[in-house]
Amino acid sequence: SQKIEQNSEALNIQEGKTATLTCNYTNYSPAYLQWYRQDPGRGPVFLLLIRENEKEKRKERLKVTFDTTLKQSLFHITASQPADSATYLCALPRKGGSYIPTFGRGTSLIVHP
Amino acid sequence: DAMVIQNPRYQVTQFGKPVTLSCSQTLNHNVMYWYQQKSSQAPKLLFHYYDKDFNNEADTPDNFQSRRPNTSFCFLDIRSPGLGDAAMYLCATSGREGLAGVNEQFFGPGTRLTVL
Repeated sequence: SQKIEQNSEALNIQEGKTATLTCNYTNYSPAYLQWYRQDPGRGPVFLLLIRENEKEKRKERLKVTFDTTLKQSLFHITASQPADSATYLCALPRKGGSYIPTFGRGTSLIVHP
Repeated sequence: DAMVIQNPRYQVTQFGKPVTLSCSQTLNHNVMYWYQQKSSQAPKLLFHYYDKDFNNEADTPDNFQSRRPNTSFCFLDIRSPGLGDAAMYLCATSGREGLAGVNEQFFGPGTRLTVL
């Protein structure tokens, strides 16, 4: 079955630096991948979607890459701010082209002032 | 603003006492989902409605039921909550499949369920 791996250890970085989070997946070639942000005690909020034929996608300070050979997506936040502190989840559609996503457990990002 | 609303935000119940969580949406989305999320874990899909069609996940316990009386509302019923059912319950919606079947999900704020 498809498997999504996100680093369970929190990422601690200093304000102003670039944060890079990783999403690895196996047994699967998804048509797209999504990234969500989740604050404590709240529901996830959609950030970005990248398709299999796109190498990179940007939105303001956010950048997502998608390497279908490595089966990996990288999520970057440039010029990070303490307000960026949250858990970031990646999500892939189920095998077979389903509209239903499967979520990773997320990686916690802590940006120190 | 169009949104997904969940009530209550916090629910405390006793072991075995039925509880109902509610979700409403103003997005007019045709798909509604219920997820269970425990601390530091991925949201786990319990079931979803595609329009009126109910889709249960294979590993969702019978203890969990759902109703969708109309497009806007969806309910999660837990018939006999156990201690292991304490979690955050998230409702989400998505619209009709767009280009290439891609859909983002819109989540509500969640209901934190405590079982005593």
